[in-house]
Amino acid sequence: ELKVEQNPLFLSMQEGKNYTIYCNYSTTSDRLYWYRQDPGKSLESLFVLLSNGAVKQEGRLMASLDTKARLSTLHITAAVHDLSATYFCAVGIQGAQKLVFGQGTRLTINP
Amino acid sequence: DTEVTQTPKHLVMGMTNKKSLKCEQHMGHRAMYWYKQKAKKPPELMFVYSYEKLSINESVPSRFSPECPNSSLLNLHLHALQPEDSALYLCASSQDHQSRVPVSYEQYFGPGTRLTVT
Repeated sequence: ELKVEQNPLFLSMQEGKNYTIYCNYSTTSDRLYWYRQDPGKSLESLFVLLSNGAVKQEGRLMASLDTKARLSTLHITAAVHDLSATYFCAVGIQGAQKLVFGQGTRLTINP
Repeated sequence: DTEVTQTPKHLVMGMTNKKSLKCEQHMGHRAMYWYKQKAKKPPELMFVYSYEKLSINESVPSRFSPECPNSSLLNLHLHALQPEDSALYLCASSQDHQSRVPVSYEQYFGPGTRLTVT
């Protein structure tokens, strides 16, 4: 059974700081997705990572994938309050029909 | 149009009621999904439809009955639910899984229906 583990699960940080969220998964997959969810809202797609060594950046967020280590990271640079949300990684299996989500990382950025 | 719509936004129902959740997309996607999300938890896959046929049922109780009348619409029929079924129900869609061209299968989520069972 595929397990997807994120850490940390809770992260409180100050504006302007850098931090990284880690996503480990237990079985081979070449499809890794990052989503953002604001309280009471739906999921917003952030990044799709499809190959080993893939790196994508959007604003202050950068995601990478190492399929050999079964690890993806979401790096936050110079955090701002607007990035406060819950971030989920998800691994695609069964021909990507099925997404298995990590537990989520609840990120709070304080002024 | 990159939007998935869901109705209703909120639903309160008794345990003896029958209700339906609706989902619609006009992105030409041929795969559609139902997820259930409890508070402070990740979404859990319930059903997957591919080309209007049910391809995955994650051992969901029969009181939840999915239906895909056409490639743009997905319904979830609810009957005799329990209070523990109260959750946010999310619909998503993606490109089909039979494409010969490598695609991302990125899933686009609707806003969800917040269901409360009393």
